[in-house]
Amino acid sequence: QVQLQQSGPGLVKPSQTLSLTCVIAGDSVSSNSAAWNWVRQSPSRGLEWVGRTYYRSKWYNNYAVSVESRITIKPDTSNNQFSLQLNSVTPEDTAVYYCARESVVGKLDYWGQGTLVTVSS
Amino acid sequence: DIQTTQSPSSLSASVGDRVTLTCRASQNIRSNLSWFQVKPGRAPKLLVYAASSLQSGVPSRFSGSGSGTDFTLTISSLQPEDFATYFCQQTYNTPFTFGQGTKLEIK
Repeated sequence: QVQLQQSGPGLVKPSQTLSLTCVIAGDSVSSNSAAWNWVRQSPSRGLEWVGRTYYRSKWYNNYAVSVESRITIKPDTSNNQFSLQLNSVTPEDTAVYYCARESVVGKLDYWGQGTLVTVSS
Repeated sequence: DIQTTQSPSSLSASVGDRVTLTCRASQNIRSNLSWFQVKPGRAPKLLVYAASSLQSGVPSRFSGSGSGTDFTLTISSLQPEDFATYFCQQTYNTPFTFGQGTKLEIK
């Protein structure tokens, strides 16, 4: 059974960096078949796919155009987890952030519990 | 980016009704479409992937169909726990865009 456990602050000041971590149990961040995604949800934007990281003999990333200049998703093989960093946040980045496993291409089958991140001074 | 458009945006129905939700992609995405159920305060739940494959543990009253640009999610007999918001997501290429959602409400 796969479990994803998220952690990170719920309040970030404008212009600062949002940082979240997702710890994986029951699978490996270095899996050659899975990918590790971040998705966010807000009333104004609905569900928005943010990006992913995956390993296929080397590490790859894909990011949403809306955040690609500000985002980094990184694997941490030592701790079997992956992280999201979003720089220069604004109130528009306020959302519930979820991590999710993509077991085969396009199948987001396991999700973290979600973290409400509010961007406010 | 590939756009996905859902209709209707909201729908009122009764327990026992058969309902069909629609998702349209802005270009051919073959069968690369998923459906999710979202309830307040809970993570999205995968219902259907690859357009018509039912995720393990999902009741058989849910079914997905379609390919190319037009897709549907059908609930054959609504149960009280099915009242929620439903999202489609194209997974043909990144960014994996979601539709804007269909809110299913009790009549």
